[in-house]
Amino acid sequence: GAVVSQHPSRVICKSGTSVKIECRSLDFQATTMFWYRQFPKKSLMLMATSNEGSKATYEQGVEKDKFLINHASLTLSTLTVTSAHPEDSSFYICSARDMRRVSTDTQYFGPGTRLTVL
Amino acid sequence: GQQVMQIPQYQHVQEGEDFTTYCNSSTTLSNIQWYKQRPGGHPVFLIQLVKSGEVKKQKRLTFQFGEAKKNSSLHITATQTTDVGTYFCLNYGGSQGNLIFGKGTKLSVKP
Repeated sequence: GAVVSQHPSRVICKSGTSVKIECRSLDFQATTMFWYRQFPKKSLMLMATSNEGSKATYEQGVEKDKFLINHASLTLSTLTVTSAHPEDSSFYICSARDMRRVSTDTQYFGPGTRLTVL
Repeated sequence: GQQVMQIPQYQHVQEGEDFTTYCNSSTTLSNIQWYKQRPGGHPVFLIQLVKSGEVKKQKRLTFQFGEAKKNSSLHITATQTTDVGTYFCLNYGGSQGNLIFGKGTKLSVKP
């Protein structure tokens, strides 16, 4: 089946630094990728929709200047958490929409990145 | 706005018992997807339903999409300890990929 990878899987950083998370679709092309955040004991929260070659669409309440998203190719989207603070500590998950399956809207999730900000 | 309500929030069953989780929407859904997230893991896609009244089976799992496309259910027959995790429903719709998640049902199975 389709595989989506994320790197790194875990990252610990100091407050004030920036962290970049990569999301790659390994065996398919994805014009659209989604970024989620999961708080403990909560459901996934959609942060933004990343479209290849255009600006990301952010959900209400998500700071676009803090969570920078770049979707430079059909297989790669990056999320950069700028000037990270402890409250940004969370599990970040991406998903990619398989272009070949647009009619059925199939998405595949990455394994997630655990960010801890000290 | 459009919401998907998922119930129950938690379910504790004895191994061998059946389990059902429900997702209900106030508006018609274009599709419904189900995911399973193991403790500490990421959501794994299980299935997608798009047709009114659709029923799909995966071994002990049965997925249904209501006739009015406003509700869906996931039923597990004879639960096993490997079924533990949180089951999410998700509506994926719109040109911008508007995503609406249910809050998930956390299933625990006592051996």
